[in-house]
Amino acid sequence: EPEVTQTPSHQVTQMGQEVILRCVPISNHLYFYWYRQILGQKVEFLVSFYNNEISEKSEIFDDQFSVERPDGSNFTLKIRSTKLEDSAMYFCASSEQARDGYTFGSGTRLTVV
Amino acid sequence: GIQVEQSPPDLILQEGANSTLRCNFSDSVNNLQWFHQNPWGQLINLFYIPSGTKQNGRLSATTVATERYSLLYISSSQTTDSGVYFCAVRVTSGTYKYIFGTGTRLKVLA
Repeated sequence: EPEVTQTPSHQVTQMGQEVILRCVPISNHLYFYWYRQILGQKVEFLVSFYNNEISEKSEIFDDQFSVERPDGSNFTLKIRSTKLEDSAMYFCASSEQARDGYTFGSGTRLTVV
Repeated sequence: GIQVEQSPPDLILQEGANSTLRCNFSDSVNNLQWFHQNPWGQLINLFYIPSGTKQNGRLSATTVATERYSLLYISSSQTTDSGVYFCAVRVTSGTYKYIFGTGTRLKVLA
């Protein structure tokens, strides 16, 4: 079964540093998403991306965050200057059409120290 | 915005027992998924079920969209079923994002 692949699985970074989380969506999928889950809490929507632009974003997705599809296969989430409260599990997801169900990647656990 | 509540919040079962998890949502939805988050944090898709009933092995799910709820049934539970179960819904207009529920934490004892 096709998978969404996320790397790295765990990243530790110092406060104030920039991090880039990487995702390879399923190859024929057109819609891409990032979600995050702070430890023990709900899974929260960050951003959706289609046709090389952001289609929707949440209040969490402020100027510190950006997304990019730098080539035909990768989808990245950048956090410019990490804060302690950015520590969370970050999930990438993709879907073939907007109305379809999502397939999630296995997540990147980001720890900001 | 839409509220998605799951019950019970916590559940402890003996191996072999059956259980029903519930997801209530406060607005009309056109999509619903159930996920299992395993102890390693991975989100595993169980069902894509905007309406009706589906079965996959020991798991089955029913969504009654008109009454704004969905149920996940686990039969003959196994220790590997432990983890957190989330439902996620997408409202009928204006957005393609899924909103996750509060989760049910399940522990199955050997």
